[in-house]
Amino acid sequence: EAQVTQNPRYLITVTGKKLTVTCSQNMNHEYMSWYRQDPGLGLRQIYYSMNVEVTDKGDVPEGYKVSRKEKRNFPLILESPSPNQTSLYFCASSSMSGLAGGRYEQYFGPGTRLTVT
Amino acid sequence: GNSVTQMEGPVTLSEEAFLTINCTYTATGYPSLFWYVQYPGEGLQLLLKATKADDKGSNKGFEATYRKETTSFHLEKGSVQVSDSAVYFCALSDYEGGKLIFGQGTELSVKP
Repeated sequence: EAQVTQNPRYLITVTGKKLTVTCSQNMNHEYMSWYRQDPGLGLRQIYYSMNVEVTDKGDVPEGYKVSRKEKRNFPLILESPSPNQTSLYFCASSSMSGLAGGRYEQYFGPGTRLTVT
Repeated sequence: GNSVTQMEGPVTLSEEAFLTINCTYTATGYPSLFWYVQYPGEGLQLLLKATKADDKGSNKGFEATYRKETTSFHLEKGSVQVSDSAVYFCALSDYEGGKLIFGQGTELSVKP
C-alpha cells in the first residue's frame, strides 16, 4: 500500500529537549515536505526537499532542521523546542515528474501532534 | 505572493442540505487547484483537483470548477451526509518549492 508514515503520532515534551519526528514514504517520490497546521492559519510549509541531499526552507523554517540522506526518509528535527512550536505536523511527498507543472497532488502522512510545555 | 482565501467556518448543515464552501485564490501563472479533506483525528486526504481553467474536479458527490475569470474554486455537494463532517481545505500548487498553499480550512458539521 502506497503511504506516508510518521512517528510518533503524539508527543508531549518540555522546552529545550531535542526531538526528531520521522517521515517515510514507499512511493519512490523525489519530493518531500513538512507542514505545520495551526488553527485559523491552515497549513504552512516548513522545509522541503527535491531529492537526496537537496533541502530548502519553506515559509516558516525557524527552529527546525531537516535532512535527506535517503530518498524514502525525511526527518524533522527540533533542536531546542519551544512552546510556540506546539502544533500538528504533516509530512507530504510527491513525484517530481509532474511537479513543475503543479499537476501532481501531494500525499500526506497521518500527522504528528506535538505539545511543548 | 500566491494565496488562498476560504469562507469562514464553522458551517453547520442538516443532512441532505446543499453545501457550498467558497474558495478564491491569487496566483501568477497557471496553478493547479485542490480540495483536501481532514476527518476528525486523521491526516489530509485529497478530495478532488483541477489542473486548468474550466476543469471540473469531482469525487464522492463533491465537485468544484476551476474558474479563472473569477479566480475561484468553490466546493459544492448536492446532499450532504453526517459522514461528510470534516475540515475542508482549498489549496493551490506553487511553483516555488513545489509547495501547496492552503486556505485556513472550513469546518463542516452535518446534523442528522
